[in-house]
Amino acid sequence: AQSVTQLGSHVSVSEGALVLLRCNYSSSVPPYLFWYVQYPNQGLQLLLKYTTGATLVKGINGFEAEFKKSETSFHLTKPSAHMSDAAEYFCAVSDGGYSTLTFGKGTMLLVSP
Amino acid sequence: SAVISQKPSRDICQRGTSLTIQCQVDSQVTMMFWYRQQPGQSLTLIATANQGSEATYESGFVIDKFPISRPNLTFSTLTVSNMSPEDSSIYLCSAVTGKETQYFGPGTRLLVL
Repeated sequence: AQSVTQLGSHVSVSEGALVLLRCNYSSSVPPYLFWYVQYPNQGLQLLLKYTTGATLVKGINGFEAEFKKSETSFHLTKPSAHMSDAAEYFCAVSDGGYSTLTFGKGTMLLVSP
Repeated sequence: SAVISQKPSRDICQRGTSLTIQCQVDSQVTMMFWYRQQPGQSLTLIATANQGSEATYESGFVIDKFPISRPNLTFSTLTVSNMSPEDSSIYLCSAVTGKETQYFGPGTRLLVL
């Protein structure tokens, strides 16, 4: 069975600071890994995904994530936070692109001026 | 990418009644899923909507409570039957495209009184 752990239900940063949202996963097969963002009163929007190949993946809005197999991690980063980044972020894993997703509990990113 | 719409976007219902949620995708997709997001929680998969056959339900979800239809490759419905306040949640439809990426609809926000 797969599982996802997101460390920290809330992360607070100042505008312009580095954003780091942590995600660790467990999977018995090579995983597909995803980050989604949910803005208030909206659905989920795909930020980025890792399937195979390059372990550093770049997504929308300046976010990127690195797949580290040895650490079973897929942490999300952004060099400089904007106020508009305030939202909830979900890490998810599947065992193939057509398989179901298992989500982490989510991390709420708060950005202060 | 796929553009997914859901109707209704929100509703307030009385206990004991049923609500049918519609999900429409702008292109033919291989897989469609239904998720529930309870207040302040992550997403939980309800079922996989199979085209032309019965849906595949996850543990804890049953067809009598959550009947699902998928008559073609672009449309699905989820019915929440005999509702109770515990059914108050956001219900999200998702679809997997040919690029093995799961996209989500905006969600239906349901409040049961």
